[in-house]
Amino acid sequence: DAGVIQSPRHEVTEMGQEVTLRCKPISGHNSLFWYRQTMMRGLELLIYFNNNVPIDDSGMPEDRFSAKMPNASFSTLKIQPSEPRDSAVYFCASSRLAVYEQYFGPGTRLTVT
Amino acid sequence: GQQVMQIPQYQHVQEGEDFTTYCNSSTTLSNIQWYKQRPGGHPVFLIQLVKSGEVKKQKRLTFQFGEAKKNSSLHITATQTTDVGTYFCAGPRYGGATNKLIFGTGTLLAVQP
Repeated sequence: DAGVIQSPRHEVTEMGQEVTLRCKPISGHNSLFWYRQTMMRGLELLIYFNNNVPIDDSGMPEDRFSAKMPNASFSTLKIQPSEPRDSAVYFCASSRLAVYEQYFGPGTRLTVT
Repeated sequence: GQQVMQIPQYQHVQEGEDFTTYCNSSTTLSNIQWYKQRPGGHPVFLIQLVKSGEVKKQKRLTFQFGEAKKNSSLHITATQTTDVGTYFCAGPRYGGATNKLIFGTGTLLAVQP
């Protein structure tokens, strides 16, 4: 079975540009999580969905960040406009509902100059 | 809010030495999970502990969940270079209605051959 798929793997963009990160969870998993990892702040949960519905977005830094899950096999995390402090590795993870074990994708390394 | 701290933040050992990382939560946890992240990689699930006082072993790795379900430890016997990486504990808040995990701050293990 394919694991969690994320694209792009690397993204370099200029400040002010829109960035869209994509995630395909493992088939059959109905929970999806977006994390951000930096040296300073560690691994932070941004938002998560159960059955395509956002459950907790309290970790989303500000209005520049938005996430959608239009169907069970696809989710996006959008940053508009991007800022240098958004530079980080963004991970998507999925799991089955009521099962806490999470499977992480390879991540997207975002650099905003 | 719920916080999960790990100590030490960094540990450097000679190959063959033992290693232990400790995880402490500010709140009681329903269960505790451990993940390993290799340098440049993504977190990978290792194990889940559910019962108070539970101890589980995976080859040279021993995991323990505290009696009060607020702390945990991971012990590696006779480290090898393949053990290099950051070890995270994570857990959902006891009684919480969500499958949201709070990740610990992580312990980076370096193993010198």
